[in-house]
Amino acid sequence: QSVLTQSPSVSGAPGQRVTISCTGSTSNIGAGYDVQWYQQLPGTAPKLLIYGNTNRPSGVPDRFSGSKSGTSASLAIIGLQAADEADYYCQSFDSSLSGSIVFGGGTKLTVL
Amino acid sequence: QVQLQESGPGLVKPSETLSLTCSVSGGSINSNHWSWIRQPPGKGLEWIGHIYYSGSTNYNPSLKSRVTISVDRSKNQFSLRLTSVTAADTAVYYCARYSLYGGTYPFDFWGQGSLVTVSS
Repeated sequence: QSVLTQSPSVSGAPGQRVTISCTGSTSNIGAGYDVQWYQQLPGTAPKLLIYGNTNRPSGVPDRFSGSKSGTSASLAIIGLQAADEADYYCQSFDSSLSGSIVFGGGTKLTVL
Repeated sequence: QVQLQESGPGLVKPSETLSLTCSVSGGSINSNHWSWIRQPPGKGLEWIGHIYYSGSTNYNPSLKSRVTISVDRSKNQFSLRLTSVTAADTAVYYCARYSLYGGTYPFDFWGQGSLVTVSS
């Protein structure tokens, strides 16, 4: 059971918009700790997609955006492409676990 | 561009010690935090711990009693030791840089991962 909760799967057709949620608590996201998002394409290492809740590293398309409110965060993808089919993980910090870095359980995005 | 590469045995016997090394190229290990993260087959990511270049460490409480992360600045490498392994420790082990980036700390560079299987 992950400290950060993500829906196991989400799907959308090419060109559509999807959102992936990450729900935490008052000891992690709700305490003000930043959320990062990672994209893991099949058979590869995770790649940083969003940092500091809303920021994209250079090279990440602006089709990807992040937001945070209260104890939750979200990743939105617009203009869905087949190449976006991957697992997506949120990550934050939890003060109740001796200062531990925590990941969500991951969400599998299927492009129909 | 920083690159990380894991190396070590792909098979470890139950109750023995898992040892992996991460070699850093394209940048110095003499800054930032350096981390180990694992992913059991078909499952999600689990942070194991990290080390600052100075040698200070922080570990996942669930693994703390079995984990040691060390750094060899002369070789630009850092290492993971996990003792008393069981089948539950079978996973792809990633090394990653945990770096101050835009005012926050993401894992911004990752190794390709090393599959370690625990089996007799």
